[in-house]
Amino acid sequence: EPEVTQTPSHQVTQMGQEVILRCVPISNHLYFYWYRQILGQKVEFLVSFYNNEISEKSEIFDDQFSVERPDGSNFTLKIRSTKLEDSAMYFCASSGVPGANVLTFGAGSRLTVL
Amino acid sequence: DQQVKQNSPSLSVQEGRISILNCDYTNSMFDYFLWYKKYPAEGPTFLISISSIKDKNEDGRFTVFLNKSAKHLSLHIVPSQPGDSAVYFCAASALRGAQKLVFGQGTRLTINP
Repeated sequence: EPEVTQTPSHQVTQMGQEVILRCVPISNHLYFYWYRQILGQKVEFLVSFYNNEISEKSEIFDDQFSVERPDGSNFTLKIRSTKLEDSAMYFCASSGVPGANVLTFGAGSRLTVL
Repeated sequence: DQQVKQNSPSLSVQEGRISILNCDYTNSMFDYFLWYKKYPAEGPTFLISISSIKDKNEDGRFTVFLNKSAKHLSLHIVPSQPGDSAVYFCAASALRGAQKLVFGQGTRLTINP
């Protein structure tokens, strides 16, 4: 069964450092997302991406965050200067059908900012 | 901003009995609802969904009920099995809006043998 693959599974970084989280969405999907879950809290939407541009972003997704689809398979989330409160599990997701919202999620990348 | 709320953080059910997980929402623009299941160290996995034009959707042991007037939905699992032990997230979306899902806090379901 097709799956969304995320790397790394766990990254530890120092506050102020740049982090790039990588995702390989399902190959024929066209819509890509990043969500995050701070420990003990709900899963929160960060950003959606379609046709090589951001289609929607949340208040969390400020200037420190960026997304990119550098080639035909990868989808990345960059945090320019990490803060302690960026520590969370980051989930990448993809969808092939607009409006149906049945997203396929990856296993997540745990980011720990020290 | 608690547009989607799951008021029970945990639920314990005997194997073979019915599990009922509840979810409330406040945003009347939501018109598509989903349940996701999450095991530790894995991402959420889609379970079942329902559009606002329906009040019930069934898939095997899983049934989702939607009460639009009460802005309430529930997931019924019957019979419950030990493998159903996981965290269950309710999520909602406005089809007319963008693609984002708004999640509830999750309910940890434990099925006891």
